Amino acid sequence: DAEITQSPRHKITETGRQVTLACHQTWNHNNMFWYRQDLGHGLRLIHYSYGVQDTNKGEVSDGYSVSRSNTEDLPLTLESAASSQTSVYFCAYLNMRRRTVIQYFGAGTRLSVL
Amino acid sequence: AQSVTQLDSQVPVFEEAPVELRCNYSSSVSVYLFWYVQYPNQGLQLLLKYLSGSTLVESINGFEAEFNKSQTSFHLRKPSVHISDTAEYFCAVSPTGGFKTIFGAGTRLFVKA
Repeated sequence: DAEITQSPRHKITETGRQVTLACHQTWNHNNMFWYRQDLGHGLRLIHYSYGVQDTNKGEVSDGYSVSRSNTEDLPLTLESAASSQTSVYFCAYLNMRRRTVIQYFGAGTRLSVL
Repeated sequence: AQSVTQLDSQVPVFEEAPVELRCNYSSSVSVYLFWYVQYPNQGLQLLLKYLSGSTLVESINGFEAEFNKSQTSFHLRKPSVHISDTAEYFCAVSPTGGFKTIFGAGTRLFVKA
């Protein structure tokens, strides 16, 4: 299976700053996703992409944006960080090659907005 | 649209005891069903899945789940838990033919010695 890496693993920032979280996968999977994980809410979908130049909003997309200029990367940008965006962020890709729709997750980025 | 309800937010259990983590879903279309596990400071990883065929599916580490279409449930069970099973478990659904996955809120399993 492809490797998926997220960076940084931990980030502290101040309110109002722009922050970009990186996500990189190694096997050119088309379908990639960004989630945030908060206690009591499980994983909530922020944005997703089905291929280069294709991006779509998820259920909690306000204040976030993504871009997909190549297959391997889907960076998540917080335009103006807010304390409500303190969370753990996970990137995932969907393995369709075995037609089993399994999502593979990165190790996560813990973001604190002070 | 789909939704997933995990009925217990936390489940404490003693080592070697049986455990059941409950999951109910709703969907107007047919779905695939999954359980993912998250160990501390890690991302989620697939534990087991139901796509079609036998309604009882098993993982390599002794967990099993049964798809019950009439009750729209996919409960996760293990007859004897270990300390190392301590983790958060997420039930998830994905519409057949679709790419998005809907996750439940998670159940935190604590296994005590």
